[in-house]
Amino acid sequence: AQKITQTQPGMFVQEKEAVTLDCTYDTSDPSYGLFWYKQPSSGEMIFLIYQGSYDQQNATEGRYSLNFQKARKSANLVISASQLGDSAMYFCAMREANQAGTALIFGKGTTLSVSS
Amino acid sequence: NAGVTQTPKFQVLKTGQSMTLQCAQDMNHNSMYWYRQDPGMGLRLIYYSASEGTTDKGEVPNGYNVSRLNKREFSLRLESAAPSQTSVYFCASSEDQGRFSTTGYTFGSGTRLTVV
Repeated sequence: AQKITQTQPGMFVQEKEAVTLDCTYDTSDPSYGLFWYKQPSSGEMIFLIYQGSYDQQNATEGRYSLNFQKARKSANLVISASQLGDSAMYFCAMREANQAGTALIFGKGTTLSVSS
Repeated sequence: NAGVTQTPKFQVLKTGQSMTLQCAQDMNHNSMYWYRQDPGMGLRLIYYSASEGTTDKGEVPNGYNVSRLNKREFSLRLESAAPSQTSVYFCASSEDQGRFSTTGYTFGSGTRLTVV
């Protein structure tokens, strides 16, 4: 079974609009972290935002926020006031357990296209 | 600039040839990783090294070997390249200290490998 599921292969939004990128995850570990990365067409991987499983509040970083619904195992990324530079591939990822011997598990990604 | 350096950036191999992808980080991170990225598949873990002197298999280790040469360097070797290994390879590192880092990974810029 997939640990991280991103059901939207592609999303389209106009500048200045908000957009939500979906991510659901599957784990039995009570301690885990959820991450979002951006990959522009140039190919580099850019860390955007982190949410810990015990965090009471949703994470925010500038125009990025994470809508964390623990009971639904959902960690959607919300981008407010979209900009042309937000056009990229976005990956949701999860890391389980309180130990160093694990690694990030990635979803298949969502391509976001922002138009003017 | 501090970060993760991968070499080469591009490589074309013939089926059956061998090569080593080099990765070095200068952030004194404990953990290092190799991922491959294929269209529609997201990033899949090949091997990782939680600390100097240790390596572990990830999701797709077949056809690859790794060496954690020292704390800075983590190389990936293809002994007999196959067309199925055509992919973009990313090296990453993280500052895990017992518990995983909440700032995610630092990624290299990637190696685009084509096997013909």
